[in-house]
Amino acid sequence: DAMVIQNPRYQVTQFGKPVTLSCSQTLNHNVMYWYQQKSSQAPKLLFHYYDKDFNNEADTPDNFQSRRPNTSFCFLDIRSPGLGDAAMYLCATSRTSSGGTDTQYFGPGTRLTVL
Amino acid sequence: GQNIDQPTEMTATEGAIVQINCTYQTSGFNGLFWYQQHAGEAPTFLSYNVLDGLEEKGRFSSFLSRSKGYSYLLLKELQMKDSASYLCAVRLGGSYIPTFGRGTSLIVHP
Repeated sequence: DAMVIQNPRYQVTQFGKPVTLSCSQTLNHNVMYWYQQKSSQAPKLLFHYYDKDFNNEADTPDNFQSRRPNTSFCFLDIRSPGLGDAAMYLCATSRTSSGGTDTQYFGPGTRLTVL
Repeated sequence: GQNIDQPTEMTATEGAIVQINCTYQTSGFNGLFWYQQHAGEAPTFLSYNVLDGLEEKGRFSSFLSRSKGYSYLLLKELQMKDSASYLCAVRLGGSYIPTFGRGTSLIVHP
């Protein structure tokens, strides 16, 4: 039973052509995250939503935007992809609670290729 | 600030035991996670430590010493399918978001 779903699993786009990656969850978690992960590197947090509140990381380029129309869905928009944006994009969710572990659950990722 | 260190790569033999270390310098520590990530796949949760000591879960155990800023993941009876990257992630007090280390690539050979 899929809990965090990402579509597509593989995305190929051209340099400068906008692309949207999607994430959905069946866990009813209140927090959703987007990470960028390049080969042999740690996942890098781009931004996250705490409920409807958007939280951008200070070093996330303006080229990256996000939308969360409802609890279940979250989108990552890359307005003008560059070659350096080729990476695995991971969506994760968690339920924050006082004293809880707030474990993150990850989707399978979308591998983005920029030509 | 925080600085999470893990060895880049380790190799071990099928059936053996391996220990993957993680050290961190952080203020207001509030939990440490270990994730397993197979090549091209998403990280999957293995363990969570917030108090000192050893947490055992089947073939995998995780240890934490808060005073030393140190954790390890112990894998017993290694199997070929354990070949993966193991990510250590540390959470600061007051934040629900962990910061990930670069991961340790474990190669299990026959």
